[in-house]
Amino acid sequence: DAGVTQSPTHLIKTRGQHVTLRCSPISGHKSVSWYQQVLGQGPQFIFQYYEKEERGRGNFPDRFSARQFPNYSSELNVNALLLGDSALYLCASSLGINSNQPQHFGDGTRLSIL
Amino acid sequence: GQSLEQPSEVTAVEGAIVQINCTYQTSGFYGLSWYQQHDGGAPTFLSYNGLDGLEETGRFSSFLSRSDSYGYLLLQELQMKDSASYFCALGGGYQKVTFGIGTKLQVIP
Repeated sequence: DAGVTQSPTHLIKTRGQHVTLRCSPISGHKSVSWYQQVLGQGPQFIFQYYEKEERGRGNFPDRFSARQFPNYSSELNVNALLLGDSALYLCASSLGINSNQPQHFGDGTRLSIL
Repeated sequence: GQSLEQPSEVTAVEGAIVQINCTYQTSGFYGLSWYQQHDGGAPTFLSYNGLDGLEETGRFSSFLSRSDSYGYLLLQELQMKDSASYFCALGGGYQKVTFGIGTKLQVIP
């Protein structure tokens, strides 16, 4: 079975641009969460979506937005990119919505802002 | 808010046992999880403690004490492939999970 897939794997953008990152969850998983991981730190929670609705939001500015589609895939959008947005963006899927459900992570999208 | 503390680095010998501690501050949470992440890889779920006590999964065990705001991950029979970063993570409502900064484990021959 395919795991969580993310695209693209790497991306280079300049300040002020917009970016869209994509995630396909494991088949049957209805919950998708997004995390930002800066080098040397743990992942930071950005969003959780379940059944196409936003169920949780972390402490990120409104420049960050996301959505989940009927097939449970998800997009993360970031507007007006800043140098500080350079990071590894991870997507995780799980069967259910509760925090006791193991999250299965994709390999991430490495975003570099010049 | 929530915060977690864990040692930044630990070194242990192949075949030995190592314990990675995690202390936390929170006003409420559902459970404590542990994830492993190899350099350049994705985090991988290892264990979850929803209740106080010990959970065992093969060579890995995890412990939680809510009264002490403390947990640990125990790795037995260390192998070279166990060299990785290990994160403790607090589960809030739904899956608003807060991760620690991670402990880099180096296993030496």
